[in-house]
Amino acid sequence: AQTVTQSQPEMSVQEAETVTLSCTYDTSENNYYLFWYKQPPSRQMILVIRQEAYKQQNATENRFSVNFQKAAKSFSLKISDSQLGDTAMYFCAFMKHGMNRDDKIIFGKGTRLHILP
Amino acid sequence: DTGVSQDPRHKITKRGQNVTFRCDPISEHNRLYWYRQTLGQGPEFLTYFQNEAQLEKSRLLSDRFSAERPKGSFSTLEIQRTEQGDSAMYLCASSLWGGRETLFSSYNEQFFGPGTRLTVL
Repeated sequence: AQTVTQSQPEMSVQEAETVTLSCTYDTSENNYYLFWYKQPPSRQMILVIRQEAYKQQNATENRFSVNFQKAAKSFSLKISDSQLGDTAMYFCAFMKHGMNRDDKIIFGKGTRLHILP
Repeated sequence: DTGVSQDPRHKITKRGQNVTFRCDPISEHNRLYWYRQTLGQGPEFLTYFQNEAQLEKSRLLSDRFSAERPKGSFSTLEIQRTEQGDSAMYLCASSLWGGRETLFSSYNEQFFGPGTRLTVL
């Protein structure tokens, strides 16, 4: 079975600073996706960034980037130049890919991020 | 609005009552998913459909839960004889599955709705 662990329940940073959210996962699969989802207060969940496990290059999306360490099963999210609109719950998530793909996303418990003005 | 919609957004009910939630996916999406999110937890997979066929159900989905997608468009999730432990946010998502070739190629992103928050008193 796959598990996703987020060890930081809550974090606060000043606007414009850089923040890193941690995530570790456990799986015996070799082919999978990893995601970071953002859930703003009272708003729907949106995909922030996606990483395919077979790709060594870390994914980036504007101010968001990941540090994917496959051997260590670590997948952290870095938010640069943080903005007030980044305040949200962030979920690290996993999904099997390839022949074992089952389209079920497995989420961590989340990290509540507060961006302070 | 072309996103995933859910109705109602909030539901308060008494223990033992039946409740039904509706999800309308993005119009061209053939897969529809239900997740449950309890306080302080991440969403947990419940079930999903491809068109009208229910492909998988989690063991979290007890006999009191039933989901349908009769015409391959909207879906309903019914909970019978609600219990206080059913209090949660119920999330719906949809995606466009491109067939077997999708297994190794493109990713069919799941787009989430705003959720239905259920409170069982």
